[in-house]
Amino acid sequence: GAGVSQSPRYKVTKRGQDVALRCDPISGHVSLYWYRQALGQGPEFLTYFNYEAQQDKSGLPNDRFSAERPEGSISTLTIQRTEQRDSAMYRCASSLGGSGETQYFGPGTRLLVL
Amino acid sequence: GDSVTQMEGPVTLSEEAFLTINCTYTATGYPSLFWYVQYPGEGLQLLLKATKADDKGSNKGFEATYRKETTSFHLEKGSVQVSDSAVYFCALSRIGSWGKLQFGAGTQVVVTP
Repeated sequence: GAGVSQSPRYKVTKRGQDVALRCDPISGHVSLYWYRQALGQGPEFLTYFNYEAQQDKSGLPNDRFSAERPEGSISTLTIQRTEQRDSAMYRCASSLGGSGETQYFGPGTRLLVL
Repeated sequence: GDSVTQMEGPVTLSEEAFLTINCTYTATGYPSLFWYVQYPGEGLQLLLKATKADDKGSNKGFEATYRKETTSFHLEKGSVQVSDSAVYFCALSRIGSWGKLQFGAGTQVVVTP
């Protein structure tokens, strides 16, 4: 079956532009996570959805970052007024449930802000 | 707060050598512990996990034992292959945190023929 997909795979944008990153989880997976990974570091948690409800957004670095999952399936992470420090790999993961369930990761979106 | 510390890489070793990657953690309560692997050009995959003290996770010849007394979850493999070349991430998930993962910085392993 299909795994987690993310689009675009690569995004180059200019500072100040808005970007939208998409995550399509495995069908039937209730939980969806967004992580950000800087070069040479491990992924850092950004936000978590249970169905369409955003249960935890404690990892979002500031109010330029937002995420939604309106129908409990596809999710979009939006970064407004991008800055160079936003350049990173953005990873999405989904799982059947929450705690204790295996998270399946997508290939990631590499964002470069010039 | 919670944290995961793992040994720095790169770790370079010859095929059939013994591999150990150290991982220690700091967390309140009793977290679940994981090892994820990222092969070149691919996404993160779960390698193994352990959910309580003294549990041993194993997969593909890799093993790790949840040691509460030393707050460690070291990854081992008795005989590595070139195909084991990858970046390995240790991670924890605390009960009540919705399953969100706290990762270490990753350890690159390079296995030469």
